[in-house]
Amino acid sequence: QSALTQPASVSGSPGQSITISCTGTSSDIGGYNYVSWYQQHPGKAPKLMIYDVSNRPSGVSNRFSGSKSGNTASLTISGLQAEDEADYYCSSYRSSNTQVFGGGTKLTVL
Amino acid sequence: EVQLVESGGGLVQPGGSLRLSCVASGFPFSSYWMHWVRQAPGKGLVWVSRINTDGSIINYADSVKGRFTISRDNAKNTLYLQMNSLRAEDTAIYYCAKSLAEGGQGTLVTVSS
Repeated sequence: QSALTQPASVSGSPGQSITISCTGTSSDIGGYNYVSWYQQHPGKAPKLMIYDVSNRPSGVSNRFSGSKSGNTASLTISGLQAEDEADYYCSSYRSSNTQVFGGGTKLTVL
Repeated sequence: EVQLVESGGGLVQPGGSLRLSCVASGFPFSSYWMHWVRQAPGKGLVWVSRINTDGSIINYADSVKGRFTISRDNAKNTLYLQMNSLRAEDTAIYYCAKSLAEGGQGTLVTVSS
């Protein structure tokens, strides 16, 4: 069961916007609107930031947004802040009745 | 407030067994699918298994199929993961998660001789 493909790292300056991509196949991202994004700070448990492609849980800043096109999902963070520096993981339902995560992207705020 | 508290982790020799537990509170446990997700030291998140509300639907990642068993006791608001034939590559923090939306702080499993 291969993982979804994310860039290993991205960076941006405070106030800028960045986008993290997550590429899968028609059996996962492309076939279902069940893509989620998680934020994980060092030593902490993951936190859900986006679910069902573009929905934000209560309490998550509207600076975080999600989208999908074909087999690729994206997480955009606007107005970058120092506290956004973390690892980000995408996840999708897969047609084999399983769930798959991406390899993770380390976001550095310069 | 949703709370998920994992326990049962520890050091075990290759080939050994462990049973993880996850006690849930703050939400109607019996109404939610539950998942186990793991994270090896310094590595990414990996989905392990899921179980539906009454335990009638269960799925596993290929890497643990036949060795791990997920179960739940809705009367006790508890999720379990029975892990047998453990390997070094099973070393990880194991998180339980409510519908993959909220999780606990995890419990560390170390497989080593």
